[in-house]
Amino acid sequence: NAGVTQTPKFQVLKTGQSMTLQCAQDMNHEYMSWYRQDPGMGLRLIHYSVGAGITDQGEVPNGYNVSRSTTEDFPLRLLSAAPSQTSVYFCASSYRGIYGYTFGSGTRLTVV
Amino acid sequence: DQQVKQNSPSLSVQEGRISILNCDYTNSMFDYFLWYKKYPAEGPTFLISISSIKDKNEDGRFTVFLNKSAKHLSLHIVPSQPGDSAVYFCAASADTGRRALTFGSGTRLQVQP
Repeated sequence: NAGVTQTPKFQVLKTGQSMTLQCAQDMNHEYMSWYRQDPGMGLRLIHYSVGAGITDQGEVPNGYNVSRSTTEDFPLRLLSAAPSQTSVYFCASSYRGIYGYTFGSGTRLTVV
Repeated sequence: DQQVKQNSPSLSVQEGRISILNCDYTNSMFDYFLWYKKYPAEGPTFLISISSIKDKNEDGRFTVFLNKSAKHLSLHIVPSQPGDSAVYFCAASADTGRRALTFGSGTRLQVQP
C-alpha cells in the first residue's frame, strides 16, 4: 500500500517555466489537497478537491492550476514559475475528512 | 492574519517528562482540530484529533485538550521520548465536510535523553 505518492521529490525551475507536480493515492480517498510549506508559516492550502471533477481554491491559489479527472490523481500545475513559488509542496488525501489526512513526502521546488 | 497560532517556535524537555504543546485559534467556526507530527524531509503524520463536542481525547501517550471558551488547545505527551523530537503542527477545520485544514506555524520539540 503506497499511500500518497508525490513526484518529483526535487525540482529546480527557471523563472517563467511551467511544470506539473504529480500526486497519486491508492486508498480510494475522495478528498485530496495541495499545501505549500514555507519557513515560519506552517502549511497553507493551495487547492483542494472533494471528488473527481470537483476542485476549489484554498488560501493561496494564485499561479497554480489543478484538475481531478480520476479519484487517484490530483496534479498541481505551475503556469509560469516565479521565485515566490520556491517552497516545499505537500499533497494530502483523506476519506471524507475522517481520520485526518495522509500526506505525501513532499516536493522541494526551487525557482531561480 | 493567522487563524491558528502556535506561539512557541520551539520546546525542549527531558526524556520521561511531560511535553505540552499549545495552540490558539481565532475562528469560532472551527469545530475539528488535529495534531500532526513532522520529521525532516517527510510529510506530516496524523497524531490525534478532537471534535468541538469534546474537551479531551486520549491515544496512548498523547492527549489533546480543547478549551472552546478560550479558543485554546494543547497536546500533552507523557512520557516524552527522544523519538518524539519533531515539529508538531496544530490544524483546524471550519467545514462540516472537513474538506480542508488550516495549519499553525509549528513547534519544534526536542526531547533530551
